[in-house]
Formats: sequence, C-alpha cells, structure tokens
Amino acid sequence: KQEVTQIPAALSVPEGENLVLNCSFTDSAIYNLQWFRQDPGKGLTSLLLIQSSQREQTSGRLNASLDKSSGRSTLYIAASQPGDSATYLCAAKGGSNDYKLSFGAGTTVTVRA
Amino acid sequence: SAVISQKPSRDICQRGTSLTIQCQVDSQVTMMFWYRQQPGQSLTLIATANQGSEATYESGFVIDKFPISRPNLTFSTLTVSNMSPEDSSIYLCSVASSSYEQYFGPGTRLTVT
Repeated sequence: KQEVTQIPAALSVPEGENLVLNCSFTDSAIYNLQWFRQDPGKGLTSLLLIQSSQREQTSGRLNASLDKSSGRSTLYIAASQPGDSATYLCAAKGGSNDYKLSFGAGTTVTVRA
Repeated sequence: SAVISQKPSRDICQRGTSLTIQCQVDSQVTMMFWYRQQPGQSLTLIATANQGSEATYESGFVIDKFPISRPNLTFSTLTVSNMSPEDSSIYLCSVASSSYEQYFGPGTRLTVT
C-alpha cells in the first residue's frame, strides 16, 4: 500500500523567501505525482502534474521535481508572497489502471508580509 | 482542465438526517470520484462513481451510508445518510482526465450537530 508523507507539517517564512516543500512515497512504481493547493475550507487546485518519466515540471514561480528511485518529490516556490499562504498536498497515482490517488497530509504554509 | 461545481457549498444538519450533495462538470468525463476530508486530515477516497452502474466503494465505506448516483457523464450525487457528528467533513468530487490528472470541485463543508 502506498504511503505518502509530507514534512514539515507547517512552515512559516518571510515574504520573498523561497519555499521548499517535501513529499516522499514508499512505492516507487508510481504513474504520476500531482501537487495541489488548498485554501482553508475549500477544494483543491491542481498546481503541477509530473509523469513518472519526467524529472521536473515548471509553471511560473513553481517548480516540482521527481526522483522515483529515492521516492521523493519537491515543490519549489520562488520569491514567496502572502498570497501563497495555503496548504500544499502531494498525491501519487499508482502504476495500475485505476485512478486512485494516495495523498500526503499536506504542508501548511504561512508567508509573513 | 474541467470546471466542477458542487451544491451545496456548506450545510449544517442534525444527526439522523441525510444530505445529498450534487456535483456538476462542464464536460463529459468517464471517471468521477467522491472524497472525504475530515477536520485536520488529508483526503480519503470514498468511491468511484460509474456511469450506468453501481459505484465502486473503498474499504470502510458502504452503499447504505453513502449512496451514489451517476445518471450521465456530467453529473453525480453523493448522499450522506443517517448522519452523526463523525460525518462532519468536507466532501469533494473530482474527475480525471485522459492523462490521469485529477481536478477537484470546491467542496461541500458539512457540519452535523
């Protein structure tokens, strides 16, 4: 059974600092890994999807890397802003034909103005 | 990406009653899912809503408690039956694209008193 862990559970940084969010998974046979953002009491917004054959994906200030062999993905957010304050979740999709995602518990980020 | 709406956005219900949550997608999708997010926790998959057939439930979730309908490729409902305070959660529907990227609705915040 896939276990996904996100450390730290919470992070507070001053505005302008770069953010580094970690995600680890136990079963390296993943199909893809997806990063989401969740604002309090709201749904999830998809940020980046990395296929198992890819090493990284970029979108604006966001960059996500994937190292299957070590079971790790990292989300980098450059030049953080107060609007980046949210909970960030990673989710791994297994290699089988089903669509099931295994979610981490999330990292709650606070960017101080 | 798909645009997903859910109704209601939030509700406060008395124990023993039932609530039906609606999920509408702006395009036809094959795979639709229902998740639960209990307070302070990550997401747990309840079931896959299959069009034209019975939903596929995950371990720990049963049809009598969470009946699901999927009358067509753009709509689904989840009913939370005979509610107790432990059912207080955010309920989210999601859909998957052909590239296995998942998109989530805004969620329904349920409080059971």
